[in-house]
Amino acid sequence: AQSVTQLGSHVSVSEGALVLLRCNYSSSVPPYLFWYVQYPNQGLQLLLKYTSAATLVKGINGFEAEFKKSETSFHLTKPSAHMSDAAEYFCAVSASGGSYIPTFGRGTSLIVHP
Amino acid sequence: DTGVSQNPRHKITKRGQNVTFRCDPISEHNRLYWYRQTLGQGPEFLTYFQNEAQLEKSRLLSDRFSAERPKGSFSTLEIQRTEQGDSAMYLCASSLTGGRVTDTQYFGPGTRLTVL
Repeated sequence: AQSVTQLGSHVSVSEGALVLLRCNYSSSVPPYLFWYVQYPNQGLQLLLKYTSAATLVKGINGFEAEFKKSETSFHLTKPSAHMSDAAEYFCAVSASGGSYIPTFGRGTSLIVHP
Repeated sequence: DTGVSQNPRHKITKRGQNVTFRCDPISEHNRLYWYRQTLGQGPEFLTYFQNEAQLEKSRLLSDRFSAERPKGSFSTLEIQRTEQGDSAMYLCASSLTGGRVTDTQYFGPGTRLTVL
């Protein structure tokens, strides 16, 4: 069984400020972890994924996430927010074997103020 | 690579009517997934296919729902006797899975269903 908890349904930052979106997971087997972004009325786009290689994962648009097994966390960060980063962000976990069906968190809405 | 496409993008129907959605995956992808997303929630898994075989169905997939992938290419999701609770975004995703390939799902834009 696996689950994801995203802390904070809304995160508000100023343009140029650090972005930190929190994700904690639970998995009975070594996990694969993903961050997706969803813009209004669009599907999900993969930002980055962790698949048991390097614990610091770099993704698109300047985002990165660090896998911390001891904290069961996979937080998403970006050093400097841009207005275009405003969107819904989803963390997801899947088992590292079998059907690979991911379980998604409820999402965090990132609001960027000018 | 044209990505995953879904049709229609929007569907408004009256309660009790049947609706059918289509998903065209990325051409070389062997897996195809259907999800439902309601407002304020993440996607919830409904079912998936490997080639033409439907391998898993969620308990969310009531007997009013049926999905097919007849030739291992495009897929259809049909909802019979729609209810207002079926109103949601229906997302399709595809992936290339097998061997040492790590599964990454690529999502389509979704079909938004409104049941009046």
